[in-house]
Amino acid sequence: EDQVTQSPEALRLQEGESSSLNCSYTVSGLRGLFWYRQDPGKGPEFLFTLYSAGEEKEKERLKATLTKKESFLHITAPKPEDSATYLCAVKGSGNTPLVFGKGTRLSVIA
Amino acid sequence: NAGVTQTPKFQVLKTGQSMTLQCAQDMNHEYMSWYRQDPGMGLRLIHYSVGAGITDQGEVPNGYNVSRSTTEDFPLRLLSAAPSQTSVYFCASSYGVGTEAFFGQGTRLTVV
Repeated sequence: EDQVTQSPEALRLQEGESSSLNCSYTVSGLRGLFWYRQDPGKGPEFLFTLYSAGEEKEKERLKATLTKKESFLHITAPKPEDSATYLCAVKGSGNTPLVFGKGTRLSVIA
Repeated sequence: NAGVTQTPKFQVLKTGQSMTLQCAQDMNHEYMSWYRQDPGMGLRLIHYSVGAGITDQGEVPNGYNVSRSTTEDFPLRLLSAAPSQTSVYFCASSYGVGTEAFFGQGTRLTVV
């Protein structure tokens, strides 16, 4: 059974204080690891897909990395508008859709 | 290009009532799915479809039915609403296996 665990559950940062969010996973036959951002009252918004260990992707202040057991979402010099819940999901072998972690709620204080 | 459209956005039901949550996508995606999101539980898969005429159960299917008569539409039916079905429901679609899923804005359902 595919599983995703995200930590921490919540993170409070000062503006400009860099940090990382963790996503640990177990999956049979990884076909993709996905990061999403979710704002209150909205649906998840796609950020990145990573397919193999060692892969990295960047978008503005966000950088996602992948190993065989976990992924990190690094946030460099965050701003208040980066405040959101960040979700990690995996796609394993077979037809079942994405399996999600419970998310990390990030608050960036000015 | 509207993406994934869910209706209604909000709904209040009485216990025992039935209703259908609508989901439509205009991206010609084969894969569609329904999730529910509850505080502290994350997104949990209810049902999914890999193409028109094909559906399967996810992690929490009890009390829900789906059908997929067209590529565009994937309605979720609550047969007899229960307070435990109070949740936010999200519909998602994706082009294929291993590709990113696009989500609708959600339906907030309250069962009293």
